[in-house]
Amino acid sequence: QVQLVESGGGLVKPGGSLRLSCAASQFTFKDYYMAWIRQAPGKGLEWISYITGDNTIYYADSVKGRFTVSRDNAKNSLYLQMNNLRAEDTALYYCARDSRDSGLDYWGQGTLVSVSS
Amino acid sequence: QMTQSPPTLSASVGDRVTITCRASQRISNWLAWYQQKPGRAPKLLIYQASILQSGVPSRFSGSGFGTEFTLTISSLQPDDFATYYCQQYNTHARVFGQGTKVEFE
Repeated sequence: QVQLVESGGGLVKPGGSLRLSCAASQFTFKDYYMAWIRQAPGKGLEWISYITGDNTIYYADSVKGRFTVSRDNAKNSLYLQMNNLRAEDTALYYCARDSRDSGLDYWGQGTLVSVSS
Repeated sequence: QMTQSPPTLSASVGDRVTITCRASQRISNWLAWYQQKPGRAPKLLIYQASILQSGVPSRFSGSGFGTEFTLTISSLQPDDFATYYCQQYNTHARVFGQGTKVEFE
């Protein structure tokens, strides 16, 4: 069964940094695009980024220049480096498998990021 | 941009429910629908506008092409009270709609 497990969330001050990880298992990780999506408390889903198997990356305008996505295919892991965090970045952050033509077919349970002084 | 309507929908068990998603530009059939329950991760229901994800009950269906899309639940069941999101994946910015909450009437 495909499994995605996020980690690394926590409380951080405005302007601070945080690195999220997503550990993937039970599928051939290098063959899939992977995505980050976030959900602010009580709000809808916001797509943040996706990365292809060969490391081409696309970002939402809201995080471009502050967030960096990367992957380590040898470790079956996806990362989200978040810099210059703002209060509005407070959200539950999900990683998901992006099956290209078939949508986001597997999601992790999310890791919570809170940005507050 | 993806615009969903209505934002909230009140319905009863057994009702036929339709949610609409409109794209600001043509996206062919590159549209997915997700269901999210409180405290849970979203779940993929439909992709390529009309293809049912494996394991999803047949009372769910999707249609549309270009800019207008619909998600229909033919007979609402207690397990279907949730929030539904559309998402386009025609462009690299895979934007979600704002969501439609289906609640008890």
